[in-house]
Amino acid sequence: DTEVTQTPKHLVMGMTNKKSLKCEQHMGHRAMYWYKQKAKKPPELMFVYSYEKLSINESVPSRFSPECPNSSLLNLHLHALQPEDSALYLCASSPIGRPGELFFGEGSRLTVL
Amino acid sequence: LAKTTQPISMDSYEGQEVNITCSHNNIATNDYITWYQQFPSQGPRFIIQGYKTKVTNEVASLFIPADRKSSTLSLPRVSLSDTAVYYCLVGDWGSGNTGKLIFGQGTTLQVKP
Repeated sequence: DTEVTQTPKHLVMGMTNKKSLKCEQHMGHRAMYWYKQKAKKPPELMFVYSYEKLSINESVPSRFSPECPNSSLLNLHLHALQPEDSALYLCASSPIGRPGELFFGEGSRLTVL
Repeated sequence: LAKTTQPISMDSYEGQEVNITCSHNNIATNDYITWYQQFPSQGPRFIIQGYKTKVTNEVASLFIPADRKSSTLSLPRVSLSDTAVYYCLVGDWGSGNTGKLIFGQGTTLQVKP
């Protein structure tokens, strides 16, 4: 059972589409993360939010746009993606004071046609 | 961030104890060692975290020698459901609000009947 909920679980989009991935947690965690994972590879860090402010951007292309509207929600807006962006996108949160202990959602499987 | 080295894969049998060793020769004074488990198409799950000596929880034990240049995750009496990828991470997230958790290649553990 995961306490980080990601929607949608699966998404298929064309290269000209605009879509969003959503992540929600109600554990009171004030740090939230986006990771990208390709098949048989480790998760790659994309963005980190702390107290709703972007604290880490791992040089992610601008076609990925994160947003943290409040302490429970994290969005990833997608626009003009490429087929190589197809991957499992994982959201995570961590409690303040225990930043090494991430709670991950089950991910959103994205396919870009 | 300290680089970690783990075996690519390991095999075991049900009921055996499994030890997965991770090397982190350039670990820094403030770095913690954290292990995650990941099943296919799911987000990683936090297993255990430690700084030195031995840490034990209901799932695993973590052994860290005095020089902290390596660590060993010990899984007692594994079952088929322990088949997964195990990641060792090292970083300075013992304090502060967010953790820049960078995943290495991980160890794929295959438990056989």
